[in-house]
This record gives sequence, structure tokens and C-alpha cells, in this order.
Amino acid sequence: GAVVSQHPSRVICKSGTSVKIECRSLDFQATTMFWYRQFPKKSLMLMATSNEGSKATYEQGVEKDKFLINHASLTLSTLTVTSAHPEDSSFYICSAPDGLAGGVSEQFFGPGTRLTVL
Amino acid sequence: AQKITQTQPGMFVQEKEAVTLDCTYDTSDPSYGLFWYKQPSSGEMIFLIYQGSYDQQNATEGRYSLNFQKARKSANLVISASQLGDSAMYFCAMREEDMGRRALTFGSGTRLQVQP
Repeated sequence: GAVVSQHPSRVICKSGTSVKIECRSLDFQATTMFWYRQFPKKSLMLMATSNEGSKATYEQGVEKDKFLINHASLTLSTLTVTSAHPEDSSFYICSAPDGLAGGVSEQFFGPGTRLTVL
Repeated sequence: AQKITQTQPGMFVQEKEAVTLDCTYDTSDPSYGLFWYKQPSSGEMIFLIYQGSYDQQNATEGRYSLNFQKARKSANLVISASQLGDSAMYFCAMREEDMGRRALTFGSGTRLQVQP
């Protein structure tokens, strides 16, 4: 099956710094990628939809200036957590449908990035 | 209103026994897909099984089967012959096709513990 990678897998940073998380589709092109956030022992919540060549679409309640998304190419989307604070500590997961294959029955998820803000 | 409801926060099952994890959904879209994912402690989301709203037969993938009851809007996951490695969080999710959104909406999850 298709593979989605994320980097880094784990990051610890100081409060006030910015952190960039990369999501790559390794063997397919993705015009759309999704960013989810998961708090401990909770479900995945969609944060935003990353669109190649256009602005990201953010879910209600997600600060677009806080969580910057750039879909630089058909295989790369980045999420930058700006001026991170302890409450931004979470597990961030990206996913991508195989857009060129049309209506596939599977969403491909990256392995996730665990962010800890001290 | 919750689009995906998983009413079992935790479940226990004996090794080699079968277990059913419940999932109900709510949508007005005639075209949708239902997914089950397994999330072990490592955090990765492992795809288990998919059921399309127009599929006539219940989906099966090895030891996993989906009991799809469209009129009741339920999509329960059945795991047969449980193994210790099945212990994990299980999430039911839905993708609504007609609205053009291809992101998934997840339920709250069920933690399954398989006992020897």
C-alpha cells in the first residue's frame, strides 16, 4: 500500500519556539493532505485540509496563524506550530488519500509526531 | 450531534475468543465510507477494514469483519480468535463522499485488552 512519512517522529521544544512538521507521500502524489491532532487518550480531530497550490482550509476553532500549513508540492505538506506553548503539546498525524486513484477505500496515515512543549 | 459514536470506552476479551466493537454513525449523505483503524501504543494508525455505503455484502479482512446494518446506521467490528497483539485502541471513522470532504471523522475509540 501507499506510504506516508512524517518527520520528526518526536520533538521537544521550549515555549515560544516554532516547530515544523513534515508530511510526505512517498510513492504517490497527493493534492490534498489532512492534519489531525490527538490529545492523550482522545480521538483524532481534524485540524485542517492542506491543498497543493492553494490555501489550507482550517476547521472551526483552529487558529490559522498559530498552525501554518504549506503544501509545497504534490508530495509534501508542512505544519508549523508557531510560538508553541505547553497546551500545544499533542500528537499530530497527517493523512493523504491517493488522489490520482480517485475514490480509494483507504486513507493513508503517517506515523505521527509527538510534540512536547516545555 | 456526534457523527460517529463508540459507546464502549474499554473492552476485555479472552485470547482466542471473538469480540464485537460497536459503532453507530449519523449522516444524511447517501454516499459514505466507514473505516476501522487500530492504534497501538506507538500511535500509528493501522487500517483494518472498509465498508462503502453501497456495498451489498459485509466487508471481511482476515480475522476482521464488519457487521454493517445500514438501516440501523451501525458498523460494528468483529474480531475473531483474538490474539494478545490485538490489544490496542480501535477507532471507527466515516468519510462523507457527497459533501466533497475526504477527511475522516473519528469516534472516541474503544480500548481493547486481550487477556491470556
